[in-house]
Amino acid sequence: DGGITQSPKYLFRKEGQNVTLSCEQNLNHDAMYWYRQDPGQGLRLIYYSQIVNDFQKGDIAEGYSVSREKKESFPLTVTSAQKNPTAFYLCASSIYKGSSGRLYTQYFGPGTRLTVL
Amino acid sequence: KNQVEQSPQSLIILEGKNCTLQCNYTVSPFSNLRWYKQDTGRGPVSLTIMTFSENTKSNGRYTATLDADTKQSSLHITASQLSDSASYICVVSERSGGYQKVTFGTGTKLQVIP
Repeated sequence: DGGITQSPKYLFRKEGQNVTLSCEQNLNHDAMYWYRQDPGQGLRLIYYSQIVNDFQKGDIAEGYSVSREKKESFPLTVTSAQKNPTAFYLCASSIYKGSSGRLYTQYFGPGTRLTVL
Repeated sequence: KNQVEQSPQSLIILEGKNCTLQCNYTVSPFSNLRWYKQDTGRGPVSLTIMTFSENTKSNGRYTATLDADTKQSSLHITASQLSDSASYICVVSERSGGYQKVTFGTGTKLQVIP
């Protein structure tokens, strides 16, 4: 059963704590992405990775960190430096062929809702 | 600054009726435009994708149109069903080398009532 999964579905964090959101895909996609979704705003890109062991900052990377040690996994850590972390976090993956310059369809996970208490 | 604006912000229609959602964008250079459906508390799911040369694309009861000259797109839903209740997001990609920058609209929240 192919797809992209995120865990946990709901996450509560105390101020000052770091938390890590999991994202796994078995679609054999090279590229993976993390987005943040806030009410009344479009999805905003936090980090993306086109190949293993490489990742790039998106538009709102401050206070977040990622790793890409395996093709299937792209965990996101929300650090205490992120001033307003309460949001819905979405992970996505897609085919990536750099030479083509084409953006392939992104497949999204079910999301993780993070709430800071 | 690249922008994607959607209207209306929210919409309520009766089951069985048709509706049209609008998307205006200022993304340049344009690469492609997608419409996604996002159920509450879930991840978005792609409905259609259109490139510069495509004017219309259908996916079942969903039909998307694109006017690249006026930078407008619409999503038409025919014979709406209760399961169509969701947010519909317009996403425009900019061609910029190895990674194409993607701009998301804020979405139109559609509610279909019996």
